[in-house]
Amino acid sequence: NAGVTQTPKFQVLKTGQSMTLQCAQDMNHNSMYWYRQDPGMGLRLIYYSASEGTTDKGEVPNGYNVSRLNKREFSLRLESAAPSQTSVYLCASGAAGYEQYFGPGTRLTVT
Amino acid sequence: GEDVEQSLFLSVREGDSSVINCTYTDSSSTYLYWYKQEPGAGLQLLTYIFSNMDMKQDQRLTVLLNKKDKHLSLRIADTQTGDSAIYFCAERQRGDYKLSFGAGTTVTVRA
Repeated sequence: NAGVTQTPKFQVLKTGQSMTLQCAQDMNHNSMYWYRQDPGMGLRLIYYSASEGTTDKGEVPNGYNVSRLNKREFSLRLESAAPSQTSVYLCASGAAGYEQYFGPGTRLTVT
Repeated sequence: GEDVEQSLFLSVREGDSSVINCTYTDSSSTYLYWYKQEPGAGLQLLTYIFSNMDMKQDQRLTVLLNKKDKHLSLRIADTQTGDSAIYFCAERQRGDYKLSFGAGTTVTVRA
């Protein structure tokens, strides 16, 4: 079992560029989550998907979109990157209502 | 909304016990979690406790929950250099998919 995998590990974008962060899990979990992690602020939820076919906004959804492609995959898209989106992006999955398991993260820098 | 608060830094001598503290505000929280993040990695679930428990022990880890004061602590016995990391506490409310995280406590173990 690979658990939760994320690609890419690192990315540098220029302001205004777009990109999609990929996340996949092989634990047959229904729920998947995208967080951003900034120093001193902990983890803030961007979007989540309680089950295949559903997505909901979290605490900081502005500037992002998501797609729950199938049960395994949940992608995060930045349509027009801004320097304020420089962060570490963490994907997680979990059985509904239980603990979450995290991927290694994508470190994104927007210049 | 709910807030989870942690002190930001803890320095401990190798071989001593570490105690990491967390306070939360939502009395309806059902599960409380401790995660560990090593440099450049995602979050690893260390342990969790149900809100109807006072204490949970797992090898070197002891979790104490004071529901009256909404206070959660993680004690690491015989702290080792490999315990240097950021530790996050998180809570989940009844019926909710989402976790709320504290800002994280950076633990530094000195020889």
